[in-house]
Amino acid sequence: GAVVSQHPSWVICKSGTSVKIECRSLDFQATTMFWYRQFPKQSLMLMATSNEGSKATYEQGVEKDKFLINHASLTLSTLTVTSAHPEDSSFYICSAPGTTGELFFGEGSRLTVL
Amino acid sequence: KQEVTQIPAALSVPEGENLVLNCSFTDSAIYNLQWFRQDPGKGLTSLLLIQSSQREQTSGRLNASLDKSSGRSTLYIAASQPGDSATYLCFPPGGGNKLTFGTGTQLKVEL
Repeated sequence: GAVVSQHPSWVICKSGTSVKIECRSLDFQATTMFWYRQFPKQSLMLMATSNEGSKATYEQGVEKDKFLINHASLTLSTLTVTSAHPEDSSFYICSAPGTTGELFFGEGSRLTVL
Repeated sequence: KQEVTQIPAALSVPEGENLVLNCSFTDSAIYNLQWFRQDPGKGLTSLLLIQSSQREQTSGRLNASLDKSSGRSTLYIAASQPGDSATYLCFPPGGGNKLTFGTGTQLKVEL
């Protein structure tokens, strides 16, 4: 079946630095990808919808300048957490819809900001 | 905005039991409904996809039903095993395309 791959699976960074997370659809094209954040023992919260060839759509309360999203191609979307702070530590997951409408998720990326 | 409720929030059963997980949603204008499982610290694994025109789907020991008009879906797990322990999430994208998740059902199957 369709596969979505995320990289890195975990990252530790210092406060104030920027971190980039990649989301790739490996065997299908995705004009749309979704980015979620999940805090411990909580549900997935949709952060933004990444659109190939146009600007991302952010959910209410999500800072566009803090979480930069770039949908560079039909198989790649990136999320950059700029000037990361400890409160940005979380589990970030991307997903992409397949041709039948089924949603496929990446393995997730755990960010720890020291 | 689609609101999703899953009951029970947590469930602990002995190995071998059959069990039912319930999902209700507020917006019945859905494209489809998916059931996922999430293991701790991992991404989501798709279990079953039911298109809006279908009533149920089966995969191995799993059977999911959909009653779109009443905004309900159930996931039936037969002969549960310890490896089934995970959080189960239902996902019905609503007509407004607001893709939200509920908190899921945390299942523990004990030996």
